[in-house]
Amino acid sequence: GQSLEQPSEVTAVEGAIVQINCTYQTSGFYGLSWYQQHDGGAPTFLSYNALDGLEETGRFSSFLSRSDSYGYLLLQELQMKDSASYFCAVPGRGSTLGRLYFGRGTQLTVWP
Amino acid sequence: DSGVTQTPKHLITATGQRVTLRCSPRSGDLSVYWYQQSLDQGLQFLIQYYNGEERAKGNILERFSAQQFPDLHSELNLSSLELGDSALYFCASSSGGRSSVNNEQFFGPGTRLTVL
Repeated sequence: GQSLEQPSEVTAVEGAIVQINCTYQTSGFYGLSWYQQHDGGAPTFLSYNALDGLEETGRFSSFLSRSDSYGYLLLQELQMKDSASYFCAVPGRGSTLGRLYFGRGTQLTVWP
Repeated sequence: DSGVTQTPKHLITATGQRVTLRCSPRSGDLSVYWYQQSLDQGLQFLIQYYNGEERAKGNILERFSAQQFPDLHSELNLSSLELGDSALYFCASSSGGRSSVNNEQFFGPGTRLTVL
């Protein structure tokens, strides 16, 4: 099956930069996604990496190293509204390609 | 707003009962996924439907069942409820039999189920 490991929580202050790491073990690999979930809310898509390297979307960037089975989400110029849980996820394989396997989530707390 | 709707938003019921959760996907999306989120298990995939057909099954209990109707809305039926079934249930949708090129799934607001 697929398993993903990420830290349970990180804290940072407004304006800072934080990196949330994710390591995965998968049988077949089709890319790494990141989702954000505010308390009580729905997960929302942030980014997707199919190939090695850095993808940048505004203040958020995501990195992937397939050889290391590792990726990270980088959040810059942190704002209070970035306090949320962040999940890395990978799709299944074969007939279950559409489903997503999620990590346990990293709770980010941004302090003023 | 993702365009995915779920009803009801909250549901409180007793052990042994049966409930039905409803989901309407984004317009044009053929795939519907159901996920369960609890504190101890995280976000767990339950089942996927594509254009009315079951496509993939995850850790879904035998007491749970789902279907997707011709208008593409989906229902998740939970029966013989137990205290441990209390969780947030999310529905998500995507355009194809697998997620789009960037694996994006659009999640509904969820149904919070409390079993007393």
